[in-house]
Amino acid sequence: AQSVAQPEDQVNVAEGNPLTVKCTYSVSGNPYLFWYVQYPNRGLQFLLKYITGDNLVKGSYGFEAEFNKSQTSFHLKKPSALVSDSALYFCAVNSGNTPLVFGKGTRLSVIA
Amino acid sequence: GAVVSQHPSRVICKSGTSVKIECRSLDFQATTMFWYRQFPKQSLMLMATSNEGSKATYEQGVEKDKFLINHASLTLSTLTVTSAHPEDSSFYICSAPLGLDTQYFGPGTRLTVL
Repeated sequence: AQSVAQPEDQVNVAEGNPLTVKCTYSVSGNPYLFWYVQYPNRGLQFLLKYITGDNLVKGSYGFEAEFNKSQTSFHLKKPSALVSDSALYFCAVNSGNTPLVFGKGTRLSVIA
Repeated sequence: GAVVSQHPSRVICKSGTSVKIECRSLDFQATTMFWYRQFPKQSLMLMATSNEGSKATYEQGVEKDKFLINHASLTLSTLTVTSAHPEDSSFYICSAPLGLDTQYFGPGTRLTVL
């Protein structure tokens, strides 16, 4: 069975500082890993994905994530946080064209 | 990128009535669509997989007679919440895969049952 863990319910960071939102996964076979962002009362917006290739994946809005197979992690990062980055972030996994399994979400709060 | 729409975005209904939610892939065809449910401050939970031309596949614990799914065409799937009750109040989100690895999500439908 596939699963995703986001160990932090809430991450607070000052504007301009780097941010990290953690994600670990469990899946049999090769994982397809995703990050999505959700603003209040809105659907999910795709940020980035890892399927294969370079472990460092760059995505939308300056976000990036690093796939670490040995640690089964796929942490989301951004070098300099913006107040507008404040939202709910979901890590997800699947095995190709199958339903996504989501983590519980991490609320990011960027403080000016 | 690909666009998935949902209608309505928000609906309020009385207990015992039925509500239909539409999910459309606007610029691509989707033989499969997924329906998720999200409770406040919680993650998305898969309810069912909608398959064009065949019956939907429901996740364990989801009542198929209560949550009717019809995948009428390659661009439209509908979720009907029958005899809705207050505990059905939630945020319902659909998604459609494009290609082998990326899913595009609709904006969600906020259902409130009074």
